[in-house]
Amino acid sequence: GAVVSQHPSRVICKSGTSVKIECRSLDFQATTMFWYRQFPKQSLMLMATSNEGSKATYEQGVEKDKFLINHASLTLSTLTVTSAHPEDSSFYICSARGPGSTEAFFGQGTRLTVV
Amino acid sequence: DQQVKQNSPSLSVQEGRISILNCDYTNSMFDYFLWYKKYPAEGPTFLISISSIKDKNEDGRFTVFLNKSAKHLSLHIVPSQPGDSAVYFCAASARGNTPLVFGKGTRLSVIA
Repeated sequence: GAVVSQHPSRVICKSGTSVKIECRSLDFQATTMFWYRQFPKQSLMLMATSNEGSKATYEQGVEKDKFLINHASLTLSTLTVTSAHPEDSSFYICSARGPGSTEAFFGQGTRLTVV
Repeated sequence: DQQVKQNSPSLSVQEGRISILNCDYTNSMFDYFLWYKKYPAEGPTFLISISSIKDKNEDGRFTVFLNKSAKHLSLHIVPSQPGDSAVYFCAASARGNTPLVFGKGTRLSVIA
């Protein structure tokens, strides 16, 4: 299957700082990328959908000024958690889909811990 | 309101036996269904999918069955192996470039 690389896999940051997570599609053009968040023992909750070159569409309850998403190219999307707080600690996962494809391929996930 | 439901949070099966994971959905617009396998602290890995025009899709030890009238699908793993122990997520998608909607997952434990 297609490869999606997410980096970093694990990050610890201080409260109030910002963290950037990268998601790259390595062998296909990702026209659409999705960002999910997973709490312990919970399902994957969609945070936002981004199409290359367009502004991201955020799900209800997700603060777009706090979770900045950039999808500037067909192979890279970034999620920046701004002014991180301990409650932002979670497992963040990106997913990418190529043009006309129904399948979505996932990155390895990023474990964010805010101390 | 959960559109994709996996009502069994966990399942334990003996090695060599069949594992059956179930999934129900409520949105009649869903026309493509996928199963993902997930290990702790990793992203989900695509396992198998089925389109709404089919009622069965098989890939090696994995078979997915779709019952559209009941809005129900199931994943069969046979024979089950200890390496199959993971959390399995059912996901559904509607036509067009819509995001996948996930169930809460079922933790499968295959006991040797």
